[in-house]
Amino acid sequence: AQKITQTQPGMFVQEKEAVTLDCTYDTSDPSYGLFWYKQPSSGEMIFLIYQGSYDQQNATEGRYSLNFQKARKSANLVISASQLGDSAMYFCAMREALGTGTASKLTFGTGTRLQVTL
Amino acid sequence: NAGVTQTPKFQVLKTGQSMTLQCAQDMNHNSMYWYRQDPGMGLRLIYYSASEGTTDKGEVPNGYNVSRLNKREFSLRLESAAPSQTSVYFCASRTGGGETQYFGPGTRLLVL
Repeated sequence: AQKITQTQPGMFVQEKEAVTLDCTYDTSDPSYGLFWYKQPSSGEMIFLIYQGSYDQQNATEGRYSLNFQKARKSANLVISASQLGDSAMYFCAMREALGTGTASKLTFGTGTRLQVTL
Repeated sequence: NAGVTQTPKFQVLKTGQSMTLQCAQDMNHNSMYWYRQDPGMGLRLIYYSASEGTTDKGEVPNGYNVSRLNKREFSLRLESAAPSQTSVYFCASRTGGGETQYFGPGTRLLVL
């Protein structure tokens, strides 16, 4: 079974600074996908960024980048130039195939609560 | 284009009552999912529907049933609610060839 580990229950960062949220994973599948979602206090799950296991380059989306180190099985999220609106819970997740078709599910970590301060 | 919608947003039930959580997506996605989120945990898969007409169990299916009514709609039913089913429920959808699952706003359920 796949597993996602987020070891930082909470993080603080000053506004305009960069912050790295850690995520390690464990899987025996050669093909997998890694995701980060943001959950603000309002509760919705917002997709941030995706990295495929065969992608050669690290994924980037605006101020978000994913530091993918395949040999170490880590997929850390880097947020540059933090803003107050970045304060939220952040979840790392991995795609796991279901059965033999195209169906898949996401396995989630327990999350990291990020607080951006002035 | 509303994406994934869920109703109701919040519900209080007494133990033993039944209810149905509704989910609809307007993105023409093939796959739909129901997850639950409990405090201190990530989301866990309850049931999923890989395509219209099919449903399968996820990690925590006990106490739930689902119906894939058509391509747009996927409902989750609690036949006899228990306090252990107090949680936030998320519906999600994904296109067949895509990777990303898109989530609805969630339903907060409290079972007394």
